[in-house]
Amino acid sequence: SQQGEEDPQALSIQEGENATMNCSYKTSINNLQWYRQNSGRGLVHLILIRSNEREKHSGRLRVTLDTSKKSSSLLITASRAADTASYFCATDGGDSSYKLIFGSGTRLLVRP
Amino acid sequence: EPEVTQTPSHQVTQMGQEVILRCVPISNHLYFYWYRQILGQKVEFLVSFYNNEISEKSEIFDDQFSVERPDGSNFTLKIRSTKLEDSAMYFCASRTSSGGPKNIQYFGAGTRLSVL
Repeated sequence: SQQGEEDPQALSIQEGENATMNCSYKTSINNLQWYRQNSGRGLVHLILIRSNEREKHSGRLRVTLDTSKKSSSLLITASRAADTASYFCATDGGDSSYKLIFGSGTRLLVRP
Repeated sequence: EPEVTQTPSHQVTQMGQEVILRCVPISNHLYFYWYRQILGQKVEFLVSFYNNEISEKSEIFDDQFSVERPDGSNFTLKIRSTKLEDSAMYFCASRTSSGGPKNIQYFGAGTRLSVL
């Protein structure tokens, strides 16, 4: 089974609009994280939400977590062209190694 | 700000050759990881390393792969005999210790491995 599937796979919005990306997972988790990847580059950590948290904010980012539905969402408000990137959710699988299991990502394009 | 550094940024090799990908994790971190991302696909876990030994490895991490922390700063991934399907971006990551926000893993910029 797949862990950490995002939807939509691709999202194109106008600068200033909000972007919402969703992630679903299958196993129990300790926490869920969102990462950003610019084309061909490394992964940049955005935000971590623990399994006992429901919502978290960081600047223009808002993350929600529903452990009963095994799903999370990432909202980017007032998007900018510089937000254009791929966004991945990653879960830690709930085991002791804390390895990350990544979803397939959402490619966000913010049009100026 | 401390960061994970990886070298080289791009490695081109012939099939069957050995490659060593190098990483310098953040200095006070204790847990180290290698991931790979085949072009257009998900980031996949390869191996985790703690206290000078492998703590977990994936099915991808077969006998052709090995990891080493030869000194206090470097963390290397060796592929003994590369195959075409090893072509991918390889990411090194590190984190401080277990639990909660300390599970944030910091990633390097990656090494793009091209096997010809």
